[in-house]
Amino acid sequence: DAKTTQPNSMESNEEEPVHLPCNHSTISGTDYIHWYRQLPSQGPEYVIHGLTSNVNNRMASLAIAEDRKSSTLILHRATLRDAAVYYCILRDRRGGGSNYKLTFGKGTLLTVNP
Amino acid sequence: SAVISQKPSRDICQRGTSLTIQCQVDSQVTMMFWYRQQPGQSLTLIATANQGSEATYESGFVIDKFPISRPNLTFSTLTVSNMSPEDSSIYLCSVEPDRVNTEAFFGQGTRLTVV
Repeated sequence: DAKTTQPNSMESNEEEPVHLPCNHSTISGTDYIHWYRQLPSQGPEYVIHGLTSNVNNRMASLAIAEDRKSSTLILHRATLRDAAVYYCILRDRRGGGSNYKLTFGKGTLLTVNP
Repeated sequence: SAVISQKPSRDICQRGTSLTIQCQVDSQVTMMFWYRQQPGQSLTLIATANQGSEATYESGFVIDKFPISRPNLTFSTLTVSNMSPEDSSIYLCSVEPDRVNTEAFFGQGTRLTVV
């Protein structure tokens, strides 16, 4: 399975931007980059995903390096509600094979200070 | 989108007993997944449950310990059998719409404590 590497923890201040990095040097051409987050005492929730181009949605932006070996999840203005564990996951876009399943690593614990 | 209801939300069980966890989805989905999250750990996939076929278990998980039913496209159960304190975890149900690489939806989880 393709692997991702994330910092164990990061800290941010409320209303400031947050950049959460993810390294995936062994990514294959058919892998999408997915981000999920898990708030305390809840199941994970989808944040964003992309293949090659940068992506934006109402929750966040995803910046993907040109060589696709790394990506950055950007929260434009962190709120206290954004405190969570953020997971960066690679998934095979073909919908088959071992990379199709969501394989959760340890993720990054984001703390947001008021 | 999909809304998932898991029952029970939490339970405390005696060792040696079994608990069945229910997962109800508000729409029909082909693929359903069961995860375990041990205290302070990340999620680990137990099995994939597709309607009309036997569940596919991940390495380290067996059907005798975690039997799964998938009677229709909106419902599934996971049973944790012959429980021991090591089974104390959060168990989560997840579904995905029938399109490749769309978002997955998760239930709130069942917090199980075995005493």
